[in-house]
Amino acid sequence: GENVEQHPSTLSVQEGDSAVIKCTYSDSASNYFPWYKQELGKRPQLIIDIRSNVGEKKDQRIAVTLNKTAKHFSLHITETQPEDSAVYFCAASTSGGYNKLIFGAGTRLAVHP
Amino acid sequence: GAVVSQHPSRVICKSGTSVKIECRSLDFQATTMFWYRQFPKKSLMLMATSNEGSKATYEQGVEKDKFLINHASLTLSTLTVTSAHPEDSSFYICSAPTGSKDTQYFGPGTRLTVL
Repeated sequence: GENVEQHPSTLSVQEGDSAVIKCTYSDSASNYFPWYKQELGKRPQLIIDIRSNVGEKKDQRIAVTLNKTAKHFSLHITETQPEDSAVYFCAASTSGGYNKLIFGAGTRLAVHP
Repeated sequence: GAVVSQHPSRVICKSGTSVKIECRSLDFQATTMFWYRQFPKKSLMLMATSNEGSKATYEQGVEKDKFLINHASLTLSTLTVTSAHPEDSSFYICSAPTGSKDTQYFGPGTRLTVL
């Protein structure tokens, strides 16, 4: 089955710096890759997603890139702010009708003022 | 985004009792919903796929007789943790895909504590 690896597990940056989180997946049939932000005790919130027919997608300070050949995708956050501090999860879909999502282990991002 | 609710948000129960958790899609119909559990500082682990009008599909290693899933309508799925034990204590979260079939929105989660 699908396996998703995520790195790093923790990331500490200064406010204003960029943060990059990387994920690799194993199932070449996966075609949907969302990123979720989860604050302590709360639900995961979808922040950006990308489908396999696109190589890059950007939404303000957040961007995601996808390399299908290498089976990896990355989240880029620019001009980080303290409110970006949270746990970020990548996920990859499995094949089928309503796609199941397999999640990476998560990255705890801390943005220091 | 779409709205998914869960009830209750928090439950504490004694060992051996059963606990029912509800997941509702509030502004859309969901023929499929997903149930996850999340241990502290860990990732979301998919437990099962809830299918309206048919049996749920469980992930490997998840006991179907312990975690009963019923998808009674196009807006409601329930997860019942039967004969709960302390090791079942966890954060249970449901999600539902919208019309695009892959974009999923999560409920707020239910924190279960079994004493």
